[in-house]
Amino acid sequence: QVQLIQSGAEVKKPGASVKVSCKVSGYTVTELSMHWVRQAPGKGLEWMGGFDPEDGETIYAQKFQGRVTMTEDTSTDTAYMELSSLTSEDTAVYFCASGGVSGVFDYWGQGNMVTVSS
Amino acid sequence: DIQMTQSPSSLSASVGDRVTITCQASQDIRHYLNWYQQKPGKAPQLLIYDVSNLETGVPSRFSGSGSGTDFTFTISSLQPEDIATYYCQQYDNLPPLTFGGGTKVEIK
Repeated sequence: QVQLIQSGAEVKKPGASVKVSCKVSGYTVTELSMHWVRQAPGKGLEWMGGFDPEDGETIYAQKFQGRVTMTEDTSTDTAYMELSSLTSEDTAVYFCASGGVSGVFDYWGQGNMVTVSS
Repeated sequence: DIQMTQSPSSLSASVGDRVTITCQASQDIRHYLNWYQQKPGKAPQLLIYDVSNLETGVPSRFSGSGSGTDFTFTISSLQPEDIATYYCQQYDNLPPLTFGGGTKVEIK
């Protein structure tokens, strides 16, 4: 059974960076195409980026290009999402999501609340 | 970018009612359309993938249909535990992957 376990809530100041982790169990991180989705308070779901197995590359939403980096540590089966130059607009719950087919999210982490406040 | 227009944004129905949600894509997305259920404070849960395929363990009262640009999600008989927000999501021709705006379903 696949589980995605995310790190705890974070509070950051504007201009700072945040790195959120997503530990995979039941599979190896390379067997899953990991994506990241965020949800601002009271708002809908917003895709940030993820691994495209067809190209073998990580793809990012244009909105976050240059500000987000998604990586994987195969030794610990953990995926990471780092977002820099934070503003209050980045206050949101950040989810890792994955599945057998890239773009179909059978599995979700529990979510990480990231609060950006001075 | 492909835009997903979901309607209605909210609805109120009685237990046992048939509930229908629509999702329209701004261009042909073939069969690359999924539906998710999200309950408050929880992560979304995949209900239907590739338009009409029910995820394992999902009750058969949930169904999906459509093709091209127009898609429909149906709950055949609304139950109290179905109170949630539902999202459509396309994954054709990434990036980007996009979600609909969501439909909040409440009990009347």
